Amino acid sequence: EAGVTQFPSHSVIEKGQTVTLRCDPISGHDNLYWYRRVMGKEIKFLLHFVKESKQDESGMPNNRFLAERTGGTYSTLKVQPAELEDSGVYFCASSRQGGDTQYFGPGTRLTVL
Amino acid sequence: KQEVTQIPAALSVPEGENLVLNCSFTDSAIYNLQWFRQDPGKGLTSLLLIQSSQREQTSGRLNASLDKSSGRSTLYIAASQPGDSATYLCAVTIDSWGKLQFGAGTQVVVTP
Repeated sequence: EAGVTQFPSHSVIEKGQTVTLRCDPISGHDNLYWYRRVMGKEIKFLLHFVKESKQDESGMPNNRFLAERTGGTYSTLKVQPAELEDSGVYFCASSRQGGDTQYFGPGTRLTVL
Repeated sequence: KQEVTQIPAALSVPEGENLVLNCSFTDSAIYNLQWFRQDPGKGLTSLLLIQSSQREQTSGRLNASLDKSSGRSTLYIAASQPGDSATYLCAVTIDSWGKLQFGAGTQVVVTP
């Protein structure tokens, strides 16, 4: 069984540009989560999908962040326009049911210059 | 508001010693608690999940305890090996949908 994959592994962009991160969960996992670790801080929850629906987006920092999960499969997280404080590592995780063990991807390291 | 704390932030032990990692949380209303391991440049690997009704969970050399009333969990790693060197993260599930709240982690180095 393939694990959670994320693309790209690393992205370097300039302030004001747009970046789209992608996450492919484990097949059959209805629950998909996005988390972020900003330098020196704990990993923080961003949002949670159940299939294609947003169950909880309380952790999204502001309206420059847009997440989608079309068809309930892979998910994208778009940052537009990117700001310096968006730099960090973005993790995606999936689980079969809510509250189950979450399986994490390797993360996307985003650097905004 | 839930806060998760891990002490110490870093730990170095000689090979063969037992490791004891601590996690504390301020709100006992959790669904479960998970311990993760993170290697440099890699994602998080789930080690153990303890349901809120359980007191401990074991897997091989790993044993995790949970005292919900006092807001504490401890991860024990027996007979540490250099391959155990990693950052260990504790996270509590704060709602039924699986939302995790993480501690900052303990960076462990096991010296040969």
